[in-house]
Amino acid sequence: DVKVTQSSRYLVKRTGEKVFLECVQDMDHENMFWYRQDPGLGLRLIYFSYDVKMKEKGDIPEGYSVSREKKERFSLILESASTNQTSMYLCASSLGLAGGPREQFFGPGTRLTVL
Amino acid sequence: RKEVEQDPGPFNVPEGATVAFNCTYSNSASQSFFWYRQDCRKEPKLLMSVYSSGNEDGRFTAQLNRASQYISLLIRDSKLSDSATYLCVVNQAGTALIFGKGTTLSVSS
Repeated sequence: DVKVTQSSRYLVKRTGEKVFLECVQDMDHENMFWYRQDPGLGLRLIYFSYDVKMKEKGDIPEGYSVSREKKERFSLILESASTNQTSMYLCASSLGLAGGPREQFFGPGTRLTVL
Repeated sequence: RKEVEQDPGPFNVPEGATVAFNCTYSNSASQSFFWYRQDCRKEPKLLMSVYSSGNEDGRFTAQLNRASQYISLLIRDSKLSDSATYLCVVNQAGTALIFGKGTTLSVSS
């Protein structure tokens, strides 16, 4: 079974803090994704990566950056957390592009609260 | 920009009922389509892919109408355990998927 793990289930941070959200997958997937999910807005793509050291902006990259130094690990960074970044953050991974978009496997999510 | 639209519901049905959800998408070049299921406070999980010819998996049937750009999900003989939010998902160019906001189903005894 594919396993995607996220470093924390719940996180509380203060405005202005630097926040790191870590995601690890154990199935050698090429693609990794970070989403946020908010009531009434659904899942929105922040960043994705299709290879080590590669990254692409999603729909809402402002205020976020990412790092992919190893294939299995994809980190989301909030350089200076703000209250409007309070949300559920979901990481996902999938196989590479050949053959078309593949099923994405999600981690359990990190519920971040910024005070 | 509403690329994938779904009726948010909720759909409240009794056990044993048949229920159908529709979803429309705006990008006529979309090639891949999926239904995901998300339980309360859990991550989304793939329910089924949607193929051009339509496909069935037990009590679940998915249909694709490319001409009208909509996808449907039919659930027969609803169970209490079917209560969840169902997300319609369409591919964007490259690897990215676009998720609908979901349709909430509540099955009661």
